[in-house]
Amino acid sequence: DQQVKQNSPSLSVQEGRISILNCDYTNSMFDYFLWYKKYPAEGPTFLISISSIKDKNEDGRFTVFLNKSAKHLSLHIVPSQPGDSAVYFCAASADFGNEKLTFGTGTRLTIIP
Amino acid sequence: ETGVTQSPTHLIKTRGQQVTLRCSSQSGHNTVSWYQQALGQGPQFIFQYYREEENGRGNFPPRFSGLQFPNYSSELNVNALELDDSALYLCASSGLQGARTEAFFGQGTRLTVV
Repeated sequence: DQQVKQNSPSLSVQEGRISILNCDYTNSMFDYFLWYKKYPAEGPTFLISISSIKDKNEDGRFTVFLNKSAKHLSLHIVPSQPGDSAVYFCAASADFGNEKLTFGTGTRLTIIP
Repeated sequence: ETGVTQSPTHLIKTRGQQVTLRCSSQSGHNTVSWYQQALGQGPQFIFQYYREEENGRGNFPPRFSGLQFPNYSSELNVNALELDDSALYLCASSGLQGARTEAFFGQGTRLTVV
């Protein structure tokens, strides 16, 4: 049972444009959400997080939006840069103080120069 | 500030053997989690250690076991290796329990079982 879903395995975006990566979840107990970026041969790198008490969190070029009623979150990257090309994982946590993360299957983002 | 380091980076084992993977947590972090990432999948939670005690376990059989040491470094042990155990094993460390913090990942150990 996939509790966190990233339905787009890949996405290509022109440099300078906005990249939008989507994530859906089914477990209503999830209350903390994170996005990680992963380059080949490296571990995932934390990008941005959002608590369920918020609907938006922004950090530089990265903004995460959370729609709790739809159980949907999205990561916006603007403007997209070639270095953003990587696999992006959405993750969720339900256990305050435990921080077990449930990950999606990832979306491979390719920025076209 | 040192990051999360894992050893070895690559490993080849034969089915039925046992393997130990090691992880040094980020300085100041007292919680270590282990994840298995199969090809084309997202990381899956194996278990977590907090102050040397197991603090949550995912859907993995008992032949997956772990340890955390007083310096908060950790080991993942897998007995009776199966071909399906071939994966990238990721260690993540995080800080204060009870605070929502992101987990910092190591580069992973690529295990191949033949």
